[in-house]
Amino acid sequence: KNQVEQSPQSLIILEGKNCTLQCNYTVSPFSNLRWYKQDTGRGPVSLTIMTFSENTKSNGRYTATLDADTKQSSLHITASQLSDSASYICVVTRYSSASKIIFGSGTRLSIRP
Amino acid sequence: GAGVSQSPSNKVTEKGKDVELRCDPISGHTALYWYRQSLGQGLEFLIYFQGNSAPDKSGLPSDRFSAERTGGSVSTLTIQRTQQEDSAVYLCASSPGRTGVLRWTQYFGPGTRLLVL
Repeated sequence: KNQVEQSPQSLIILEGKNCTLQCNYTVSPFSNLRWYKQDTGRGPVSLTIMTFSENTKSNGRYTATLDADTKQSSLHITASQLSDSASYICVVTRYSSASKIIFGSGTRLSIRP
Repeated sequence: GAGVSQSPSNKVTEKGKDVELRCDPISGHTALYWYRQSLGQGLEFLIYFQGNSAPDKSGLPSDRFSAERTGGSVSTLTIQRTQQEDSAVYLCASSPGRTGVLRWTQYFGPGTRLLVL
């Protein structure tokens, strides 16, 4: 069964600290993996996208990694800011099936001052 | 506009009524998606349009749900005889849909919050 599982469900950290969010997937065949940030009451916004051959991708303070062998991805946030408070969603697309986009349920991150 | 727009932003309706939700994708994007997100839950795929191809309707939860995309641009999601369990945020996304990995990048609208009383 094609699934995307994220952990933790929620996380609270202090401003300025780093954190890492996890994503495990069983989607096959694999096309690409994306991380989205979703602020409360808004639509998701793309942070990174990685294909099978890529194992790391950065976007400012966000760095995503991908291990296609173990089917794991992580999103690392450095020097967190209050504006990083949001849900972070891992999304995996099946190869040659644009409609078969599987969303994880997200990690809700709260940054405290 | 530069982004995906949706209307209305909020909709309150009575059980049994029909509702229409509208999505204006980014100009030039050939792919359009509808998703549903219940409170605290992940996104649930509903339907996908790509160019002039037949839409993928595999995510529609029942025959009360339908969607169309006119002229390859604006899309309307219609829910007939609404039920309380239809209450959710309905999100629309578009993507370039051309070659290259970036064709998968989806740009989401702000969503329509539907409440069925």
